[in-house]
Amino acid sequence: GGIITQTPKFLIGQEGQKLTLKCQQNFNHDTMYWYRQDSGKGLRLIYYSITENDLQKGDLSEGYDASREKKSSFSLTVTSAQKNEMAVFLCASSIWGEQYFGPGTRLTVL
Amino acid sequence: QQKVQQSPESLIVPEGAMTSLNCTFSDSASQYFAWYRQHSGKAPKALMSIFSNGEKEEGRFTIHLNKASLHFSLHIRDSQPSDSALYLCAVIRESSSFSKLVFGQGTSLSVVP
Repeated sequence: GGIITQTPKFLIGQEGQKLTLKCQQNFNHDTMYWYRQDSGKGLRLIYYSITENDLQKGDLSEGYDASREKKSSFSLTVTSAQKNEMAVFLCASSIWGEQYFGPGTRLTVL
Repeated sequence: QQKVQQSPESLIVPEGAMTSLNCTFSDSASQYFAWYRQHSGKAPKALMSIFSNGEKEEGRFTIHLNKASLHFSLHIRDSQPSDSALYLCAVIRESSSFSKLVFGQGTSLSVVP
């Protein structure tokens, strides 16, 4: 089996700060995803990538950038953190159908 | 654009009861239907999936799909406290090599002893 790791586990930032979240997978999956989850709610797609160096915007891409320089890694950047923002950012990878998720990065903006 | 809606938003059931969770979708061309379960503070994990109309049973869990009514459901027999979690339904439309799932907003289930 494989695993998805996300770093950091907790991220505390200041308003206006640029923040980067990282994700690594060893499933050798082509497709990777970044989702945002607010307070026990559903998942909203921010960015996804079908292959290395590919980037596709999801429904919530405004305010975020992404980077897929290697097949195994996918990074997400919050371009300007919003005051009092609190959310969990989940990374996932897939082959057709089932998606496998990482444990998440919990973001708090002071 | 695909819309996926879940009901109810939250549910409290006694241990041993049957639990029913519902999901409706808007795109009749959808091809893959799944339920994910997320325990508090953990990653979502795929629970069950179905491709064609009908039902599929795995242990205490049964998934029903009715494409004509744009509806699928998850039924949990003999619900246990360990079933307490956020349940997310998800749908895929395209038959392509990657899976862009559209998730519902979730149903929070609490099973009380």
